[in-house]
Amino acid sequence: DAGITQSPRHKVTETGTPVTLRCHQTENHRYMYWYRQDPGHGLRLIHYSYGVKDTDKGEVSDGYSVSRSKTEDFLLTLESATSSQTSVYFCAISAGGQGNRETQYFGPGTRLLVL
Amino acid sequence: GEDVEQSLFLSVREGDSSVINCTYTDSSSTYLYWYKQEPGAGLQLLTYIFSNMDMKQDQRLTVLLNKKDKHLSLRIADTQTGDSAIYFCADLMNTGFQKLVFGTGTRLLVSP
Repeated sequence: DAGITQSPRHKVTETGTPVTLRCHQTENHRYMYWYRQDPGHGLRLIHYSYGVKDTDKGEVSDGYSVSRSKTEDFLLTLESATSSQTSVYFCAISAGGQGNRETQYFGPGTRLLVL
Repeated sequence: GEDVEQSLFLSVREGDSSVINCTYTDSSSTYLYWYKQEPGAGLQLLTYIFSNMDMKQDQRLTVLLNKKDKHLSLRIADTQTGDSAIYFCADLMNTGFQKLVFGTGTRLLVSP
């Protein structure tokens, strides 16, 4: 298994509060990604990073921000959580480049409930 | 934008073969993937196929790719109850960064 951990694994919070989710990797991979999983939608990309301090938006980035100050850590922040952000959040990593280095490996997920 | 579609549900008996289908719209695909998700868990990579291949076999798994029809399938031989899970196909698009577009997932139920 790829060395990816996510914390917390479960969180319940109230509408309007800030929330930060952490993804940590031990593989020294260049690319890191945040997805959300919702019924009927599969996984959708929120933000991704292609290096330290290099990030960009995915298809569902509104209401989310990210930071990557170290190769191994990628943080996802909900500045003011809303009920529509109740979801399961997955982090993924990939080495980048050609061939199977493009394959993405996923963390165990964080289940977030916004009341 | 790119769309990846899968049927929602498949039910088979233990020992039978399962075939999970996926269609995609992107013409710039490089790799196509199959992931498995067990309840409460993350996505586990099962296999992948490069877009210039027609078939890939890996033990009980056979992936078929029809690039002309943009159709991908995953066949699981001798399906076991432990194969019950949600299966996602995903398309890696050649967009300058590694954009992976997922289908909605097919829930496979294997009954004894």
